[in-house]
Amino acid sequence: GDSVTQMEGPVTLSEEAFLTINCTYTATGYPSLFWYVQYPGEGLQLLLKATKADDKGSNKGFEATYRKETTSFHLEKGSVQVSDSAVYFCALSEDSGAGSYQLTFGKGTKLSVIP
Amino acid sequence: NAGVTQTPKFQVLKTGQSMTLQCAQDMNHNSMYWYRQDPGMGLRLIYYSASEGTTDKGEVPNGYNVSRLNKREFSLRLESAAPSQTSVYFCASSEWDSGWGNDEQYFGPGTRLTVT
Repeated sequence: GDSVTQMEGPVTLSEEAFLTINCTYTATGYPSLFWYVQYPGEGLQLLLKATKADDKGSNKGFEATYRKETTSFHLEKGSVQVSDSAVYFCALSEDSGAGSYQLTFGKGTKLSVIP
Repeated sequence: NAGVTQTPKFQVLKTGQSMTLQCAQDMNHNSMYWYRQDPGMGLRLIYYSASEGTTDKGEVPNGYNVSRLNKREFSLRLESAAPSQTSVYFCASSEWDSGWGNDEQYFGPGTRLTVT
């Protein structure tokens, strides 16, 4: 079945450091790929997405490129802020039939940014 | 727009008790989902409802039942709670986009359940 593997955390960075969170996937078809973010005590919010190979998703300074050849969707940000401290989830979505798409999540990576 | 709302926010149950978690969305979405989040496990799908009147099992359905009451509401019931069901439960909804076939899921704030 489908699966998502992302780097283990926690990750601790200083403010303005470069961030990479690795994510690789296995899927039978051509999934869409997502990064979700969960701030403390809240639900998940979509951060960015990509629907086909070579697409780049971007939002709030974060970027990720859909690499079919390496089955990867790594999350990057050039300069992190304290407000980026959260748990980040990589996910993929495939058609489960009848117009409903199931998300398969990675285990999450906790990021802490210190001033 | 409230988005996806869940009640209650917190709940403590004793083993063997029953309860229903409520979820409602005001975005007119067809599809709704229930997940559980456990430390180090990510989110796992319990049940989903592709459209009003249909429900299907996800990855971890044992010990749970669901009801799609109408297009807005999707409830999750624990008939006889067990300590292994201690978790944070999230409801989500989505709408299939015929243009490209996928759309994001919108999540509620979660219910933190402890079973003692």
